[in-house]
Amino acid sequence: DAGVIQSPRHEVTEMGQEVTLRCKPISGHDYLFWYRQTMMRGLELLIYFNNNVPIDDSGMPEDRFSAKMPNASFSTLKIQPSEPRDSAVYFCASSLIREGLPTGELFFGEGSRLTVL
Amino acid sequence: AQKVTQAQTEISVVEKEDVTLDCVYETRDTTYYLFWYKQPPSGELVFLIRRNSFDEQNEISGRYSWNFQKSTSSFNFTITASQVVDSAVYFCALDPNGANNLFFGTGTRLTVIP
Repeated sequence: DAGVIQSPRHEVTEMGQEVTLRCKPISGHDYLFWYRQTMMRGLELLIYFNNNVPIDDSGMPEDRFSAKMPNASFSTLKIQPSEPRDSAVYFCASSLIREGLPTGELFFGEGSRLTVL
Repeated sequence: AQKVTQAQTEISVVEKEDVTLDCVYETRDTTYYLFWYKQPPSGELVFLIRRNSFDEQNEISGRYSWNFQKSTSSFNFTITASQVVDSAVYFCALDPNGANNLFFGTGTRLTVIP
């Protein structure tokens, strides 16, 4: 089975440009998460969706960040305008509900490494 | 407040040595879940284990074992007879109320030297 698929794997852009990161979760998974990983702050949850509905976006740094999940098989994380401090690895993850409860077992993609110059 | 502390930033061991990675957590929830994830050099995080707060029984899976002690709010991870392939960053995480919102520690980088 295919795992969580993220694109692009690497993105280098200039400050002020729009960045769109994409994620295809594992088919049948009910939850989708966007995390950001930096050396300084570690792994931070940005936002997560349950059945395509955003549940908690309190981790989104500011209005420059937005995330959508138009259907069960696709999500985007957009940064507009990008800034150098947004440089990080952005992970998408998905997980299941089992016996009516979230499992907490997250399946991560390989990440999108973003560099903003 | 929810917090996960992994005090060991980096550990190096020689192959075949045993190594224990420490994890201390803080939460006010009575029902919570603890996790360990492995991040190999390829970058993606891989789930290793999930424990709920009502189950303090230690678990062993091959060379991996986990020691959960509520009294000390710790959930330590031991690798027995370490191998080079164990080299990775290991993250401990807390889901404070089963809502699938994981708080990760800062990770411990383990290097196993051949």
